[in-house]
Amino acid sequence: AQKVTQAQTEISVVEKEDVTLDCVYETRDTTYYLFWYKQPPSGELVFLIRRNSFDEQNEISGRYSWNFQKSTSSFNFTITASQVVDSAVYFCALTLYSGGGADGLTFGKGTHLIIQP
Amino acid sequence: EPEVTQTPSHQVTQMGQEVILRCVPISNHLYFYWYRQILGQKVEFLVSFYNNEISEKSEIFDDQFSVERPDGSNFTLKIRSTKLEDSAMYFCASRRGQSVYGYTFGSGTRLTVV
Repeated sequence: AQKVTQAQTEISVVEKEDVTLDCVYETRDTTYYLFWYKQPPSGELVFLIRRNSFDEQNEISGRYSWNFQKSTSSFNFTITASQVVDSAVYFCALTLYSGGGADGLTFGKGTHLIIQP
Repeated sequence: EPEVTQTPSHQVTQMGQEVILRCVPISNHLYFYWYRQILGQKVEFLVSFYNNEISEKSEIFDDQFSVERPDGSNFTLKIRSTKLEDSAMYFCASRRGQSVYGYTFGSGTRLTVV
């Protein structure tokens, strides 16, 4: 069975600080996908990024960047120059690639990020 | 941008009653899912549905739950006899094809059982 661990329950930083959200995963499969979702106070799940297990390239999108390291089974997410609008719960998730496409996502417990003005 | 639509956004029901949560997935998507999030907790997978049948289900998805795609556009989750612990946000999601494509989530239905 898969497992996703987000050890940081809550992080509070002051606006403009950089912040990194940790995600560690467990799976015996060699082919899988990792995701990050943002859940703002309004409750919806907003897709941020998807990364497959064969692609260890780090990715940067504006103020967001992701560091995928298979050696440590980690997929960490960094927000640079944080803003109050970044305040949300962030979930890391994993799904296996079965070829059939029906696999569900296994979510971590989420990290509640609070950006103080 | 195409959306997954869920109705209602909030439903209150009495314990023991049956509820049906409705979802309209994106039209060219083939895989459909229900997830549950108890308040303040993580999002949990309930069931996946493909080619008009359940592909995978979690331990949470017991006999009181059922899913259906009655008319080719709607995707429903039925809870036969609701319990207090069924109170949660229920998310529908769909996916176009194999894993290279991401999941699109609806905005959720908040179910409150009283």
